[in-house]
Formats: sequence, C-alpha cells, structure tokens
Amino acid sequence: DAGITQSPRYKITETGRQVTLMCHQTWSHSYMFWYRQDLGHGLRLIYYSAAADITDKGEVPDGYVVSRSKTENFPLTLESATRSQTSVYFCASSEVRHATNEKLFFGSGTQLSVL
Amino acid sequence: KNQVEQSPQSLIILEGKNCTLQCNYTVSPFSNLRWYKQDTGRGPVSLTIMTFSENTKSNGRYTATLDADTKQSSLHITASQLSDSASYICVVRAMDTGRRALTFGSGTRLQVQP
Repeated sequence: DAGITQSPRYKITETGRQVTLMCHQTWSHSYMFWYRQDLGHGLRLIYYSAAADITDKGEVPDGYVVSRSKTENFPLTLESATRSQTSVYFCASSEVRHATNEKLFFGSGTQLSVL
Repeated sequence: KNQVEQSPQSLIILEGKNCTLQCNYTVSPFSNLRWYKQDTGRGPVSLTIMTFSENTKSNGRYTATLDADTKQSSLHITASQLSDSASYICVVRAMDTGRRALTFGSGTRLQVQP
C-alpha cells in the first residue's frame, strides 16, 4: 500500500531555474493539495485540486504552477525558482465525503533548497 | 484573520511523564479542530478530530479537549514514550463551502528523553 509518494526527497537548485516536484497517490482520492512548511510558520496552502483538470489557488500561490491531468498525479512547478521558495513541500490528499470530517493524508515531503 | 497559536513552542520531558500541549484559535465560524503528529522528516499524521459539540476525544495515550466557548484546545499525552518525540500541530477548519478552509498552527516540538 504505497499511499502518497513525493519525489524527489531532496532537491537543490539555482535561482531562476524551473523545478517540478512530483506527487502520486494510489487511493484515487478526489482532492489533492500542495503545502509549504517554513520554520516558525504553520503549513500554508499553495494550490489544491478537487478533481482531474480542476485546480484552485490557496493562500500562497505566486510563483507556482500546478496541473492535474490524472487523478493520481499532482505535480507542482516552480517556474523560476527564488530563494524565498526554499522550504519543505508537502503533498496531501483526501477523499471528502463530509467536509467536516475530512482527513488529510500527507506525503513525506520534498526539501527544496534554492541557492 | 484566522489564526492558530500553540504553546509551548518546544518541550522536553522524561519518558513515562505526562504532558499537555495548548492550542488557542481565532478561526470563525468554527467547524472542527484536528491534532496532527509530525515525526522528523515525515508528513503530519492525524491523531484526533473534534467538532463543536465534542469536548473530549481520545486516541490511545492521546487525549484532546476542546472548549469552543474560549476557543482553546489541549492535547494531553499520558505515560510518554520515546516514540512520542515529534512535533504536534493543531489545525482548525472554518465553515467554508469553497476553498479548503484550514488554518495550521506552527506546532509544539516535543522531545521525550530516557
């Protein structure tokens, strides 16, 4: 039972480069999310998707692009990486039957460093 | 602005001891509150969820309480074990039919020492 997997686990890149973080889930959950986690901050929502081909902005979407052509995949792209995007990125999924009881299942994260 | 504040930021206790972590929130209108455990280098894992009408919920040695009137929650860990060393994150959901309406606290880092 693979669940939700993220790749790569660690990534170092340079300012201005394009970077894509991958997320794959095996549960066929409808909803998928991208969060970033920075020291001293709670997790902040970047983008989310309610289904294939349906995406929407979260709290901090600037500088990021997402797509969801298949239910199981939800890649996050940094079009031109900046140092402020150095962070740990978490992908999550949920199968919402009742929003009040929604449970998020998180991947193990991608630690991204932008030099 | 919706906010979730957790205290203390970090805590060190001896194995076998009990501890209580605090969460204060200003999220409105309130829907539910969830506690997550995050081991180092891993994603958060859900421990408990509490709605407005619930004031206590247990999951093994973890007991969460909720006072919706004062907008406070606590997570009590009984007879701590080394495996309890982790960050504990309080997450509050607002009533929102559109965007995913979650506000995350910055967590309490717990270290259990032998």
